[in-house]
Amino acid sequence: AQSVAQPEDQVNVAEGNPLTVKCTYSVSGNPYLFWYVQYPNRGLQFLLKYITGDNLVKGSYGFEAEFNKSQTSFHLKKPSALVSDSALYFCAVLPILTGGGNKLTFGTGTQLKVEL
Amino acid sequence: DAGVIQSPRHEVTEMGQEVTLRCKPISGHDYLFWYRQTMMRGLELLIYFNNNVPIDDSGMPEDRFSAKMPNASFSTLKIQPSEPRDSAVYFCASGGRDSYEQYFGPGTRLTVT
Repeated sequence: AQSVAQPEDQVNVAEGNPLTVKCTYSVSGNPYLFWYVQYPNRGLQFLLKYITGDNLVKGSYGFEAEFNKSQTSFHLKKPSALVSDSALYFCAVLPILTGGGNKLTFGTGTQLKVEL
Repeated sequence: DAGVIQSPRHEVTEMGQEVTLRCKPISGHDYLFWYRQTMMRGLELLIYFNNNVPIDDSGMPEDRFSAKMPNASFSTLKIQPSEPRDSAVYFCASGGRDSYEQYFGPGTRLTVT
């Protein structure tokens, strides 16, 4: 069975500094990987995905993520954090299996807090 | 497109009452998902449909929960009878066949007293 680990419940960073939100995964075969963001009292919002190709994936709002197959990681990054980036971030994995459908497995979420 | 639409946005009910949550997916999407989110358990997948057919309902907590998708533009999640431990935010999401990402609705915040 597949699983996703987000080892940090909360990440604090100063505005203007780079940020990293960590994600590791376990899956049989090749994965599709996703990042979602949830603002207070809102549904999850798709940020970016890795399907194949370049290991560095760029997404919305200046976010990017790097797929590292050997470390089974997919960390979310942004060069310069904004206060408005403060939100709950979820990593998710979809194993590429025949008949696997579109069932995502989500991590437990990491609360990002960006302070002035 | 207006995105995924859920109703009601808030529901407060008494224990033992029937609760029906509604979802309209994005037009053209083949997949529909129902999730529940709580502080204690995080985000849980309850059930998902492909082309209106339930594919995996292993996350449905118990027989008190049921979900239907009578057509491509409408789904319901019903709880009967409701219990205080059902209090949570329930999300509906839809997704296309080949894109894999899911698009979430704003959620229904359910409070059972």
